Amino acid sequence: SQTIHQWPATLVQPVGSPLSLECTVEGTSNPNLYWYRQAAGRGLQLLFYSVGIGQISSEVPQNLSASRPQDRQFILSSKKLLLSDSGFYLCAWSIQGGNYYGYTFGSGTRLTVV
Amino acid sequence: RKEVEQDPGPFNVPEGATVAFNCTYSNSASQSFFWYRQDCRKEPKLLMSVYSSGNEDGRFTAQLNRASQYISLLIRDSKLSDSATYLCVVTGMDSSYKLIFGSGTRLLVRP
Repeated sequence: SQTIHQWPATLVQPVGSPLSLECTVEGTSNPNLYWYRQAAGRGLQLLFYSVGIGQISSEVPQNLSASRPQDRQFILSSKKLLLSDSGFYLCAWSIQGGNYYGYTFGSGTRLTVV
Repeated sequence: RKEVEQDPGPFNVPEGATVAFNCTYSNSASQSFFWYRQDCRKEPKLLMSVYSSGNEDGRFTAQLNRASQYISLLIRDSKLSDSATYLCVVTGMDSSYKLIFGSGTRLLVRP
């Protein structure tokens, strides 16, 4: 069966520090991968999605970047965190054409920038 | 206008009650529709897909009205464990890969 792993679960980082969040998927090949952010009390905002290795689409101009160095690995990064980067970061995967079947989310990383 | 709009609630109902949520979407070309459930400080989990003919899964019934562009979720015989936020989800304007999530409707089921 397919599983998605996301770490760390919680993170407290100072303003201006770098960030690296990792997500990996097991049990499937060539998944679509997504990074979402959920600010406190708000809805999910799509940040990046990827349909293949090295293929990244950005949804919102921001202080973040994403990379997909391997088929089942998706990384979210920042060179310098801002206070506004605080939130709940969720990685998700779907099969190709996954808009017909929905996404499966990882357990998320709760980031607090101080 | 938001792509997906939901009443944020909270809906506060007693155990055993029937409660219904509605959601409206703006993209008439949307093809796929879902309801997700999100518990406090947890990731969203797929509750059910929504089909044009309507579908039922135990105490949960989902309906789609394409003409009016709204989706509904009916929960019968509410349980305490149904307390959560329910997210309405539709295919985005670019329907290739993306799902657009509503901000959610919060349900509180009281004893």
